[in-house]
Amino acid sequence: AQSVSQHNHHVILSEAASLELGCNYSYGGTVNLFWYVQYPGQHLQLLLKYFSGDPLVKGIKGFEAEFIKSKFSFNLRKPSVQWSDTAEYFCAVKGNTDKLIFGTGTRLQVFP
Amino acid sequence: KAGVTQTPRYLIKTRGQQVTLSCSPISGHRSVSWYQQTPGQGLQFLFEYFSETQRNKGNFPGRFSGRQFSNSRSEMNVSTLELGDSALYLCASSLVPSGANVLTFGAGSRLTVL
Repeated sequence: AQSVSQHNHHVILSEAASLELGCNYSYGGTVNLFWYVQYPGQHLQLLLKYFSGDPLVKGIKGFEAEFIKSKFSFNLRKPSVQWSDTAEYFCAVKGNTDKLIFGTGTRLQVFP
Repeated sequence: KAGVTQTPRYLIKTRGQQVTLSCSPISGHRSVSWYQQTPGQGLQFLFEYFSETQRNKGNFPGRFSGRQFSNSRSEMNVSTLELGDSALYLCASSLVPSGANVLTFGAGSRLTVL
């Protein structure tokens, strides 16, 4: 069965620090990959997605993610975080089951 | 356009009771997915409905059930509530089934079981 692992459960950074959140999945076939974000008190919303093509995808608010098929990874990056990036980040994968499976989430706290 | 609407937003029940949660998708969206969100577990997939048919089901006991109406509105029901059912239940809609499309989430229904 397909699964998603987010190894960083809680990340604490200072403003302007660089960010990389890990996401690994278990399915070996064609995948659709997503990162969703949940800001405090707000709905989950899409940050970025990968379906095919350029493995480096850019999303909103300066975030990007790189799909590395050989490593079954889709890590999220941002070169310089802001206090407003404080949120919970979820990686999600759709494989052959047609279900969208989410990871357990990474809570990011950014201090000014 | 209006977003995904979930009702009620908050509710408290006791063990053994049952609960029904409602979700109205974005107008024109025909697919509705349900997730259970708990701290440390992330989002656990419950089920997905498309055109009134259940397309996918997660690994939850039979106490968890759902349905979708002809207007795409969906309900989920949990019977014989247990303490462990306390969670935020999220509904998400999309134009077509979830895997190929971006999900739009509602605010959730926070269930507390005492």
